[in-house]
Amino acid sequence: DAGVTQSPTHLIKTRGQQVTLRCSPISGHKSVSWYQQVLGQGPQFIFQYYEKEERGRGNFPDRFSARQFPNYSSELNVNALLLGDSALYLCASSSGPMNTEAFFGQGTRLTVV
Amino acid sequence: AQSVTQLDSQVPVFEEAPVELRCNYSSSVSVYLFWYVQYPNQGLQLLLKYLSGSTLVKGINGFEAEFNKSQTSFHLRKPSVHISDTAEYFCAVSSGSNYQLIWGAGTKLIIKP
Repeated sequence: DAGVTQSPTHLIKTRGQQVTLRCSPISGHKSVSWYQQVLGQGPQFIFQYYEKEERGRGNFPDRFSARQFPNYSSELNVNALLLGDSALYLCASSSGPMNTEAFFGQGTRLTVV
Repeated sequence: AQSVTQLDSQVPVFEEAPVELRCNYSSSVSVYLFWYVQYPNQGLQLLLKYLSGSTLVKGINGFEAEFNKSQTSFHLRKPSVHISDTAEYFCAVSSGSNYQLIWGAGTKLIIKP
């Protein structure tokens, strides 16, 4: 069975641009969460979606947005990129709304120059 | 608010020696506790979790952890480490009312031959 898949794996963008990151959860999982991991730090929670509804939002500016599609895949959008947005963006899926077990993808490495 | 403290940023240990990675959390409610491992340039893999029941939890790759409610700790242990255990280890917590995982800053396990 396929695990959580994220695309692209690497991305280089210029300050001020917009980026879209994609995530496909494990088959049958209805919950997707997004995390930002800056080099040398633990992940920081950005969003959680369950059954296509936003269930939680972390302390990130409105430049960050996300959505979940009917097939439970998800996109994370970041507008007006800043150098500080450079990070590994991780997607996690779980079967239910609560975080009793989250499975992570390999991440998308975003570099803003 | 919940928080997680991993007391050591790096732990060097000789191959085949035992190791303990420390994790303390703060929370006023019941929590779920997790240890994840991250190999270089990869996503996060679940090692073990505590949801309820026995306070001694066994995970993959010979790791185990003990939940200590009075000390609000969830330390990770392995009796004999191998060079392949070289990675960064993250402790995380969530509660029944909170959809997000709160993460520690990580501990790099360095295995010396």
